Amino acid sequence: DGGITQSPKYLFRKEGQNVTLSCEQNLNHDAMYWYRQDPGQGLRLIYYSQIVNDFQKGDIAEGYSVSREKKESFPLTVTSAQKNPTAFYLCASGTQLRTDTQYFGPGTRLTVL
Amino acid sequence: QKEVEQNSGPLSVPEGAIASLNCTYSDRGSQSFFWYRQYSGKSPELIMFIYSNGDKEDGRFTAQLNKASQYVSLLIRDSQPSDSATYLCAVNPGGGNKLTFGTGTQLKVEL
Repeated sequence: DGGITQSPKYLFRKEGQNVTLSCEQNLNHDAMYWYRQDPGQGLRLIYYSQIVNDFQKGDIAEGYSVSREKKESFPLTVTSAQKNPTAFYLCASGTQLRTDTQYFGPGTRLTVL
Repeated sequence: QKEVEQNSGPLSVPEGAIASLNCTYSDRGSQSFFWYRQYSGKSPELIMFIYSNGDKEDGRFTAQLNKASQYVSLLIRDSQPSDSATYLCAVNPGGGNKLTFGTGTQLKVEL
């Protein structure tokens, strides 16, 4: 069953803690993306990766880090430097033919307590 | 000026009517255009994409692109209550991999 999985679905974090959000895909897509969504705002790009071992900052990369050691996996770490991390985090991957045609995983809702 | 603009709504239409959702964009060099549907609390789902001027039909959905006027629209025929969701417009402004999203239009289909 092909698709994009994200875990956990809900995550609670205390201030000052780093947390890592998982994103896995078995679609054989080269490109992967991380977005955050806040109420009343559009999706904002955090980081993206077009190939293994390479990634680029998006529009709001401060306070976040990523890795791309495997084609299937693109984890996102929300560090304590991110001032307002409570949001809905969405991972997406882009098709082989058109990497801008993006499909989303189910998302992780992060709440900082 | 926002790069991709949508009316936030809500747009209310009766069941069985045509819902028309509009999106304007600022970058004339934009290459490709996407419509996503997002139910409350869920992730966006790709429903249409269009690259060329004109209309593209897929079932009850029609995407319309007018690059000269810099707008893209989504028509939903025979609207159903299950179509009630927020519809996000996304644009590839530069021909690379990155998309710019609008803030979405909330559609309510009423019985």
